[in-house]
Amino acid sequence: DTGVSQNPRHKITKRGQNVTFRCDPISEHNRLYWYRQTLGQGPEFLTYFQNEAQLEKSRLLSDRFSAERPKGSFSTLEIQRTEQGDSAMYLCASGRGLEKLFFGSGTQLSVL
Amino acid sequence: GIQVEQSPPDLILQEGANSTLRCNFSDSVNNLQWFHQNPWGQLINLFYIPSGTKQNGRLSATTVATERYSLLYISSSQTTDSGVYFCAALTGGFKTIFGAGTRLFVKA
Repeated sequence: DTGVSQNPRHKITKRGQNVTFRCDPISEHNRLYWYRQTLGQGPEFLTYFQNEAQLEKSRLLSDRFSAERPKGSFSTLEIQRTEQGDSAMYLCASGRGLEKLFFGSGTQLSVL
Repeated sequence: GIQVEQSPPDLILQEGANSTLRCNFSDSVNNLQWFHQNPWGQLINLFYIPSGTKQNGRLSATTVATERYSLLYISSSQTTDSGVYFCAALTGGFKTIFGAGTRLFVKA
């Protein structure tokens, strides 16, 4: 396993701009999650993919957030019209079946 | 939805001491995992333990699914054990829900 890869590692943007993050899961992992984590808190669930199908999305996620996983491989998370409250660490995790989840190093977003 | 509660929220240990971290969950779960988040923010999976007991070196974990709790034991703690420990529960849906964590600091 080469591990879960996330890019970019850091992103600084101005309020109102759009940003896109990429996650490359461990190959053959059919499950893929996106989480958001702020300082001092546990990871907060955003959305879940099983293969290419987005099966669950948090009610906390506004319409400005969208995620895709074309062909069940890598995934992208896009935030449109960013707000300062979107500043956080965005984490991606992948797993196979009901087995362990493996996390990437995350993308730290700062919205100025 | 399911609630995942961890205790204690903070823990300070002298190097060499033992500790027990607890995770309570409000509903039945399909699996339960323990993670360690190091000071650089990387989440490392420690255990996948929907029930029973597992051991890995100085760490062990026990989940009693019928009573809806899990315990993480750290023996002979080392400064490198410092960080935040999270438990995470997979519910009947697809969400894996994390607790708020236990922040551990091990003093040399």
